[in-house]
Amino acid sequence: GNSVTQMEGPVTLSEEAFLTINCTYTATGYPSLFWYVQYPGEGLQLLLKATKADDKGSNKGFEATYRKETTSFHLEKGSVQVSDSAVYFCALMPNDYKLSFGAGTTVTVRA
Amino acid sequence: EADIYQTPRYLVIGTGKKITLECSQTMGHDKMYWYQQDPGMELHLIHYSYGVNSTEKGDLSSESTVSRIRTEHFPLTLESARPSHTSQYLCASSESYRGEKLFFGSGTQLSVL
Repeated sequence: GNSVTQMEGPVTLSEEAFLTINCTYTATGYPSLFWYVQYPGEGLQLLLKATKADDKGSNKGFEATYRKETTSFHLEKGSVQVSDSAVYFCALMPNDYKLSFGAGTTVTVRA
Repeated sequence: EADIYQTPRYLVIGTGKKITLECSQTMGHDKMYWYQQDPGMELHLIHYSYGVNSTEKGDLSSESTVSRIRTEHFPLTLESARPSHTSQYLCASSESYRGEKLFFGSGTQLSVL
């Protein structure tokens, strides 16, 4: 079956620190991969996506590269801000168009 | 900006009550979804719809039911709520044929006493 495993949290960082959240997946075929973010009190929103191997998704300083050889889609940001405090969800969409989400990683950035 | 709305935002009810969680979107999306989210756990798809009069059960078994009589409206109903139904329920809709970009509502936090 299709599944997503992401790094457990919570993660606490200082401003300007480097952030990595690991995500690996199991899927048949060639799924699309996503990172969603949920800011406090808000709904989930798409952060970035990659639809094929070696694609790099990027948005708001975050990046993730679709690595088929390691079945990974790790999220990175070089210098986090307090406003990046949120819950981050890795997700995959196989050919049946139903998203599967990871458990979410809570990130807290301190000033 | 996403135009998908869920009501109520919070709901506390007693066991045995019938409840309906509302979800509406004004974007004309065909695909709509209900996810269940417990703290620290992954989101689970419990229902989805590909259009009017289309409803399917998701990956996680749920005692809830849904209906899709109008494109913009996708309510979720629990006939007899139990404490095990306590959770956050997230509604979403998608714009593209492959449904890649989902727009999510703010969720309904349900507590059954």
